[in-house]
Amino acid sequence: QSVLTQPPSVSAAARQKVTIPCSGSSSNIGKNYISWYQHLPGTAPKLLIYENNKRPSGIPDRFSGSKSGTSATLDITGLQTGDEADYYCGTWDSGLIPGVVFGGGTKLTVL
Amino acid sequence: EVQLVESGGGLVQPGGSLRLSCTTSGFTFSDYTMSWFRQAPGKGLEWVNFIRHKAYSETTEYAASVKGRFTISRDDSRSIAYLQMNSLKIEDTAVYYCTRTQIGLPGEYYFDFWGQGTLVTVSS
Repeated sequence: QSVLTQPPSVSAAARQKVTIPCSGSSSNIGKNYISWYQHLPGTAPKLLIYENNKRPSGIPDRFSGSKSGTSATLDITGLQTGDEADYYCGTWDSGLIPGVVFGGGTKLTVL
Repeated sequence: EVQLVESGGGLVQPGGSLRLSCTTSGFTFSDYTMSWFRQAPGKGLEWVNFIRHKAYSETTEYAASVKGRFTISRDDSRSIAYLQMNSLKIEDTAVYYCTRTQIGLPGEYYFDFWGQGTLVTVSS
């Protein structure tokens, strides 16, 4: 059971938009910055978003992040087949047992 | 170009030990915190631990699931991070990833470069 909650899967048609939610609590998302990662099986995970809504160099602006209260979302517009991957949210949890926490991951299928 | 390459994975019996290495290049290793993650078969990414850089006294943090059994260390002269795993359990079976870690603003932790991973299988 992951500390951060993500839906196991989402799907959308090519060229459309998809939103991946990530829900937490006041000790993690509510207090700290969120980051998002893309992971294709067998490859190195890739950082997509940091500090809630910033993109590293080389990440297209089709990927965007936001945070409100104890929840965060990753939006992907103009979906491409190459976007099919697992997506994870992560942050620091300042609670009773401090540490890095991640969501269980969301499998994106592009129809 | 930033590169991280994990090595040392393999098959080990329950109760056994293994040491993983993360050999890095393309950045000033001594300036960065380094972390390990893992992904068990059919599961998501799980943070294992990290070691801060020398400016923060190389302090460490561990996930509860590995505390007391795993030890992270670093050799700044060789740009390598290590993960010593003792008292291994079947549930430690996973692909282990090394990551470069950014700890900046208060409450800011993110992982900007990852290796390809190395598989650790704990089985009798």
